[in-house]
Amino acid sequence: LAKTTQPISMDSYEGQEVNITCSHNNIATNDYITWYQQFPSQGPRFIIQGYKTKVTNEVASLFIPADRKSSTLSLPRVSLSDTAVYYCLVGDMANAGNNRKLIWGLGTSLAVNP
Amino acid sequence: GAVVSQHPSWVICKSGTSVKIECRSLDFQATTMFWYRQFPKQSLMLMATSNEGSKATYEQGVEKDKFLINHASLTLSTLTVTSAHPEDSSFYICSARDRTSGRVTGELFFGEGSRLTVL
Repeated sequence: LAKTTQPISMDSYEGQEVNITCSHNNIATNDYITWYQQFPSQGPRFIIQGYKTKVTNEVASLFIPADRKSSTLSLPRVSLSDTAVYYCLVGDMANAGNNRKLIWGLGTSLAVNP
Repeated sequence: GAVVSQHPSWVICKSGTSVKIECRSLDFQATTMFWYRQFPKQSLMLMATSNEGSKATYEQGVEKDKFLINHASLTLSTLTVTSAHPEDSSFYICSARDRTSGRVTGELFFGEGSRLTVL
């Protein structure tokens, strides 16, 4: 099981770039890195997924170094509405059975201040 | 993206009653759905894996007779909390995987969650 470690909380201000780093030292060869966002009393929402190097979509970027033992979610110019909990998950998610092995940590509680 | 809908979004019931929560994949077929429970300030805990047309697979410590799961079609799974008690009060979330998705990455789509309060 690929355990992940993230900061419990982070504070930022509107308009700033926020980088949340996740450590996953025992990531396996077939594992992907996936980030989810969760607002209070809502289900998690997919943000981004990657395997190596850099991935960018319309809401975030994901940086993965060559050893893949960590990853950084980058949120450009955050707004108040980005206040949420962000979860880093590592696993071979193509295999439905492997979902049972995914461990949801406490995530990173991001507070964006005006 | 794909949509997963849960109903009801919140429910309040008396102790001893049973509550059914529905999880529907609105625009895709889901062979497998997952049920989670989340207590305040805590992370998601997988309760069971719901497989269409077969029995659900429960995680260790989850009572299958307490939390009845039925996955009768490719778009609907239900979780019934039987004889609910105050300690069952929690946020229940389902997720589904698109069976036809050609993506390697196996993205999970989550429902909005259902807040259960047992008095």
